[in-house]
Amino acid sequence: DAGVIQSPRHEVTEMGQEVTLRCKPISGHNSLFWYRQTMMRGLELLIYFNNNVPIDDSGMPEDRFSAKMPNASFSTLKIQPSEPRDSAVYFCASKPGSGNTEAFFGQGTRLTVV
Amino acid sequence: DQQVKQNSPSLSVQEGRISILNCDYTNSMFDYFLWYKKYPAEGPTFLISISSIKDKNEDGRFTVFLNKSAKHLSLHIVPSQPGDSAVYFCAASWTAFSGYALNFGKGTSLLVTP
Repeated sequence: DAGVIQSPRHEVTEMGQEVTLRCKPISGHNSLFWYRQTMMRGLELLIYFNNNVPIDDSGMPEDRFSAKMPNASFSTLKIQPSEPRDSAVYFCASKPGSGNTEAFFGQGTRLTVV
Repeated sequence: DQQVKQNSPSLSVQEGRISILNCDYTNSMFDYFLWYKKYPAEGPTFLISISSIKDKNEDGRFTVFLNKSAKHLSLHIVPSQPGDSAVYFCAASWTAFSGYALNFGKGTSLLVTP
């Protein structure tokens, strides 16, 4: 298995533009997570899905952020409009839905909003 | 509110010596704990885990200790090697709810010097 695949790896955009980050989880994994890494806050959970259903989006910072999981093999995180303070590395992770198991992370998308 | 805390942002250890990384948590419902290792420009990778029914888990050079009464866990690396230089994240989850997300600390940057 190729692991969790995220695209793009790097994104540079201008303030006010829409940004869409993409994630393909590991096949067969029931849970999918979006995390954001910053120096100030470390790895913070934005939202997670279980069987394609959003379970907890309390970590989404503002209404400018939205996430979807239309099927078991694809998820998007959208920021509209983007702001410079959204600059961070965004990680997607997936795990099997039950039991004590670890989550597997993608390589992340480094977002820079200028 | 940070439920998992790593109070040491950085640690420097000589090669061959023991590295001890510490982590505290506040949520008594957490019952599964993990350590992840992260190299620059890569996603976090799973290192070792421990269930709350145990107080120690060992895997080669890595040992995790759990003190439930103190809500504290630690990761011991013996002997430390230069390749262990990375950021280490402590994470915790509540597995009673399937798919419950991992809560991460801010990380500790370990530098192992030759």
